[in-house]
Amino acid sequence: GAGVSQSPSNKVTEKGKDVELRCDPISGHTALYWYRQSLGQGLEFLIYFQGNSAPDKSGLPSDRFSAERTGGSVSTLTIQRTQQEDSAVYLCASSLGLYQETQYFGPGTRLLVL
Amino acid sequence: GESVGLHLPTLSVQEGDNSIINCAYSNSASDYFIWYKQESGKGPQFIIDIRSNMDKRQGQRVTVLLNKTVKHLSLQIAATQPGDSAVYFCAEHSYSSASKIIFGSGTRLSIRP
Repeated sequence: GAGVSQSPSNKVTEKGKDVELRCDPISGHTALYWYRQSLGQGLEFLIYFQGNSAPDKSGLPSDRFSAERTGGSVSTLTIQRTQQEDSAVYLCASSLGLYQETQYFGPGTRLLVL
Repeated sequence: GESVGLHLPTLSVQEGDNSIINCAYSNSASDYFIWYKQESGKGPQFIIDIRSNMDKRQGQRVTVLLNKTVKHLSLQIAATQPGDSAVYFCAEHSYSSASKIIFGSGTRLSIRP
């Protein structure tokens, strides 16, 4: 069956530009997570959506980062005025939701800010 | 964001030997634990999970042990194979607080031929 998909798979942008990263979770999954992973490092939590509840934004590193989830399905992570330190792999994961927390990860978007 | 540590610790194991990867979790209220495997260039994949009412769970070639007293989790891989080379992450979750899953910093497993 279809897993979590992310687009684009790779993105190269210039410093100062805005980027949008997309995540399509598994159908029926109510929970959606965004993570950032720098080369050779662990997973940095960014934001968590659970159903219709207000998102947990506690991991967003600055106000240049924002995310939304429309209709409880597709999510977009937006980075404004990108900086070189934003270069990383951005991973999205979804799970069925409360009490069904096994996450299924997408392949990630590799962002390079020049 | 959540702590993810700096450079990942590495465990080097001889092919065929057993591997033990350890994880110290942070929240004593956590009641669900998961191990993920991340191969190079891919997203993490679920390996095995365990709930806090258990102290051991076995899968195919993998065993997870949970010691709630010292907040310690371990993943044992039997007869390690080259395909086991990856970064392994533990994750914790508290159903009672309905909070997000928290990932550990990860351990890189390297297999020696």
